[in-house]
Amino acid sequence: DAGVIQSPRHEVTEMGQEVTLRCKPISGHNSLFWYRQTMMRGLELLIYFNNNVPIDDSGMPEDRFSAKMPNASFSTLKIQPSEPRDSAVYFCASSLRHYGYTFGSGTRLTVV
Amino acid sequence: AQSVSQHNHHVILSEAASLELGCNYSYGGTVNLFWYVQYPGQHLQLLLKYFSGDPLVKGIKGFEAEFIKSKFSFNLRKPSVQWSDTAEYFCAVANSGGGADGLTFGKGTHLIIQP
Repeated sequence: DAGVIQSPRHEVTEMGQEVTLRCKPISGHNSLFWYRQTMMRGLELLIYFNNNVPIDDSGMPEDRFSAKMPNASFSTLKIQPSEPRDSAVYFCASSLRHYGYTFGSGTRLTVV
Repeated sequence: AQSVSQHNHHVILSEAASLELGCNYSYGGTVNLFWYVQYPGQHLQLLLKYFSGDPLVKGIKGFEAEFIKSKFSFNLRKPSVQWSDTAEYFCAVANSGGGADGLTFGKGTHLIIQP
């Protein structure tokens, strides 16, 4: 099993640009989560999906953030327009019910 | 809403010392509890988890944790640490009812093991 796959691993972009982060969950997992990790705020849950349906997006910081899961094997997190304070490591995780949450390697986003 | 409190933000120990990292959670219902480890520059890896049954849970790398329901605690322990245990440790809680909810994490404990 390849695990949760995220791309890109690193992204450097200029303020105002659109950023798209991608995630492929583990096959058979029916829940997908997007987290953001910063030194100041730690690990924050942004949004999660069950069976491709967004369940709770209350952690999404602003309307500039959006997430989609068009099918069971792919999800995107988009930031438009990006700002320097969005710089963080973004993790995707997937789960089959509660039987363990597996995290991807993360995308380190730097907005300059 | 759930919350997780980790008592120590930074812990420094010598090799072979015993380790205990505190974790308390706040939630009115039944929960699943987790400890994750994050080595420098890497993603989170599951150390151990508690769903039900024996409150003493054994995980990988010699770690264990004890769930004490009356104290809302899930402390992580290791009898003898190694230099390679240097990492960030996160306690997390999830609602055990229904489908999978997101994990709520504590702020983490940065553990440094001195040779």
